[in-house]
Amino acid sequence: EAGVVQSPRYKIIEKKQPVAFWCNPISGHNTLYWYLQNLGQGPELLIRYENEEAVDDSQLPKDRFSAERLKGVDSTLKIQPAELGDSAVYLCASSQDGNTNTGELFFGEGSRLTVL
Amino acid sequence: GQQVMQIPQYQHVQEGEDFTTYCNSSTTLSNIQWYKQRPGGHPVFLIQLVKSGEVKKQKRLTFQFGEAKKNSSLHITATQTTDVGTYFCASTANTGNQFYFGTGTSLTVIP
Repeated sequence: EAGVVQSPRYKIIEKKQPVAFWCNPISGHNTLYWYLQNLGQGPELLIRYENEEAVDDSQLPKDRFSAERLKGVDSTLKIQPAELGDSAVYLCASSQDGNTNTGELFFGEGSRLTVL
Repeated sequence: GQQVMQIPQYQHVQEGEDFTTYCNSSTTLSNIQWYKQRPGGHPVFLIQLVKSGEVKKQKRLTFQFGEAKKNSSLHITATQTTDVGTYFCASTANTGNQFYFGTGTSLTVIP
């Protein structure tokens, strides 16, 4: 079974440029998460989707970050414009359902962003 | 928001020594999950604990959920170099459904 697929794996951009990340969750997983992970720290939730609905986006900096999950499958995370402090690894994860009492999270390999 | 703290932040052990990381919360947790992240890799699920006082074992790893459901521990017996990585706890508080990761404990095993 294919795991969570993310692209690109690496991205280097100059500040003020836009960037987009793509995630394909495990087939059949209704819940999709975007996390941000800085070096030496734990993943921080940016947004959580239940199917196509964003049910938790309280930590998403909405002035520059946006996300969508059309048709409740693939998702994209966009940053525009990027700032130096956005350099981090952006992790996508999926779980079978949003009830974390029963569901483990499956993570993709992550997209490492470097903003120069 | 909920803070799930882990101690220690870093741990260096000689191969064969034991290792323990602790996860503490100021609020009651509905569950606790543990993940391992190898250097350069992504978090991989290890286990989930739900019941108060629950203890689960996976070979050399022992996971425990506190009686008050506010803390948890992961103990590794006789560490091996393959145990190297960062161990994260993650949880949902009883008062909400946001899922938070702890600060992580980075384990280095010296051969």
